Amino acid sequence: DTGVSQDPRHKITKRGQNVTFRCDPISEHNRLYWYRQTLGQGPEFLTYFQNEAQLEKSRLLSDRFSAERPKGSFSTLEIQRTEQGDSAMYLCASRDQTNTGELFFGEGSRLTVL
Amino acid sequence: QKEVEQDPGPLSVPEGAIVSLNCTYSNSAFQYFMWYRQYSRKGPELLMYTYSSGNKEDGRFTAQVDKSSKYISLFIRDSQPSDSATYLCAMSVNTDKLIFGTGTRLQVFP
Repeated sequence: DTGVSQDPRHKITKRGQNVTFRCDPISEHNRLYWYRQTLGQGPEFLTYFQNEAQLEKSRLLSDRFSAERPKGSFSTLEIQRTEQGDSAMYLCASRDQTNTGELFFGEGSRLTVL
Repeated sequence: QKEVEQDPGPLSVPEGAIVSLNCTYSNSAFQYFMWYRQYSRKGPELLMYTYSSGNKEDGRFTAQVDKSSKYISLFIRDSQPSDSATYLCAMSVNTDKLIFGTGTRLQVFP
């Protein structure tokens, strides 16, 4: 296993377009997290899943954002009608439920909205 | 006021120096405390993890937690140019939702 994989690594889009990011967690990890990081800031929690169930969503996740993990494996994060303020790095992380601490992060998907 | 405050730096030190990185927090319910290192254009990677007050040492790194003062620190001894990165403190109530500091950018020059 090569770790958490995210795709695409960089997406440039025009305002108003929809974008989708994919995350493949470490295979035995049942918890999957999405964070957003803007320049000069730490990652901000967006949402997390245990298997296919979405257990918590941040108020940062407006109704233009939707995340799914349909079979409890990979996850997608979709942003509809993108705005310039959505430009950020979207980080995915995973961990095993029995592990009390370490989140394993992917390298992120950078979104630039023009 | 943010739940977690961290000096953004940048911090520039010569090779071999001792580096001290700090965070303060306001939520007394935080029980788990971590330090992550993030290289440019990479995801964060865990350096240190602790859930109790006191010190924890791992090689050149020492993490310190003072719950009474709501203050955590990371010390790096004999700093190396390869330590140049952004250091993020993170903490949580129940391990499910990490709250990160803004990160401190560290530059170690030869």
